[in-house]
Amino acid sequence: DAGVIQSPRHEVTEMGQEVTLRCKPISGHNSLFWYRQTMMRGLELLIYFNNNVPIDDSGMPEDRFSAKMPNASFSTLKIQPSEPRDSAVYFCASTPAGSSSGANVLTFGAGSRLTVL
Amino acid sequence: GQNIDQPTEMTATEGAIVQINCTYQTSGFNGLFWYQQHAGEAPTFLSYNVLDGLEEKGRFSSFLSRSKGYSYLLLKELQMKDSASYLCAVRDSNYQLIWGAGTKLIIKP
Repeated sequence: DAGVIQSPRHEVTEMGQEVTLRCKPISGHNSLFWYRQTMMRGLELLIYFNNNVPIDDSGMPEDRFSAKMPNASFSTLKIQPSEPRDSAVYFCASTPAGSSSGANVLTFGAGSRLTVL
Repeated sequence: GQNIDQPTEMTATEGAIVQINCTYQTSGFNGLFWYQQHAGEAPTFLSYNVLDGLEEKGRFSSFLSRSKGYSYLLLKELQMKDSASYLCAVRDSNYQLIWGAGTKLIIKP
């Protein structure tokens, strides 16, 4: 199993540019989560999907952020326009089921480190 | 509001034992998780507690008291590779994970 795959691993861009982060969840996992991690705020949930449907996007900071999941094996997180305060590590994670039977452990991707200058 | 508290940083000696505490106040409870995160890497799952008591897994053990809103992660026979951040997370009544800020554990030889 290749695990959760994210790209790019590192992105440096200038303020105002569009950023697109990509995620491929583990095959067979029905839920996908996008998190942001910074030293100041720790790990924050941005949005999650169950069976490709966005369930809760209350963590999305503002309209500059959008996420899509066109199929079970691919999701994107887009920031347009980007700002320096968006600099963070963005993690994608997936779990096997939409509800929480048992442990339902989150498996994280390696993360995308974004720097906005 | 929902809150999870854990110490910001701890230091311990190689070969020793360390206990990392986590207290929580959440809207409901449906399990508590511990994750390990090495610097520059993703969090990885360590343990899960949903009933009171101790869960042991090799050198790592995790304890839960639901009545006290309290958990701890116990690491024995510390190794240098255990230097990492340890994140406590609670699943609330809506089955959403509430994350603590993490405890950075520094292991000294």
